[in-house]
Amino acid sequence: DTGVSQDPRHKITKRGQNVTFRCDPISEHNRLYWYRQTLGQGPEFLTYFQNEAQLEKSRLLSDRFSAERPKGSFSTLEIQRTEQGDSAMYLCASSLLRETDTQYFGPGTRLTVL
Amino acid sequence: GIQVEQSPPDLILQEGANSTLRCNFSDSVNNLQWFHQNPWGQLINLFYIPSGTKQNGRLSATTVATERYSLLYISSSQTTDSGVYFCAVRETSGSRLTFGEGTQLTVNP
Repeated sequence: DTGVSQDPRHKITKRGQNVTFRCDPISEHNRLYWYRQTLGQGPEFLTYFQNEAQLEKSRLLSDRFSAERPKGSFSTLEIQRTEQGDSAMYLCASSLLRETDTQYFGPGTRLTVL
Repeated sequence: GIQVEQSPPDLILQEGANSTLRCNFSDSVNNLQWFHQNPWGQLINLFYIPSGTKQNGRLSATTVATERYSLLYISSSQTTDSGVYFCAVRETSGSRLTFGEGTQLTVNP
């Protein structure tokens, strides 16, 4: 049973460019979450999917951010017109909706916006 | 939204010492998880413990849900225990995890 994987692990981009990150959840996990973590802080929730439906979005998710989970498998997070304030670690987690619903995290994508 | 407070923010130990990390939360929860974040940023699951006590090797955790706190015990600490420990909770009405700001643990040889 492989864990949550994320790609790329690191991304350096210039302000104003668009970037896209991918997350592959643990097989058969029907819930997928995106979080963002800045230096010295705990992760903050961005959005989550149950199967292919996006059920909740945080106020942190501005209109420059969009997430998809086609077919309820992998997910992508796109940031348009990146700003320096978008520099952070983007973490993906997945869980299997049942009694415990424990979330398991991927290794993250570290974004640096120059 | 729910508030999560962790203490202490920083902790420095000598190898072999024991420690207790605390997590207080402001509302009822149906999920509480403890994580260890390694130097590369990976969040490692330690415990799923919305209530009760669990033990895993040198680590144990206790959550008293009625009093809204959880404790993580580390015994006979090793240098590899160094890193940031996070507590995260989920409100009974939600799906997201809300994290505390973490405890930075440094174990010196």
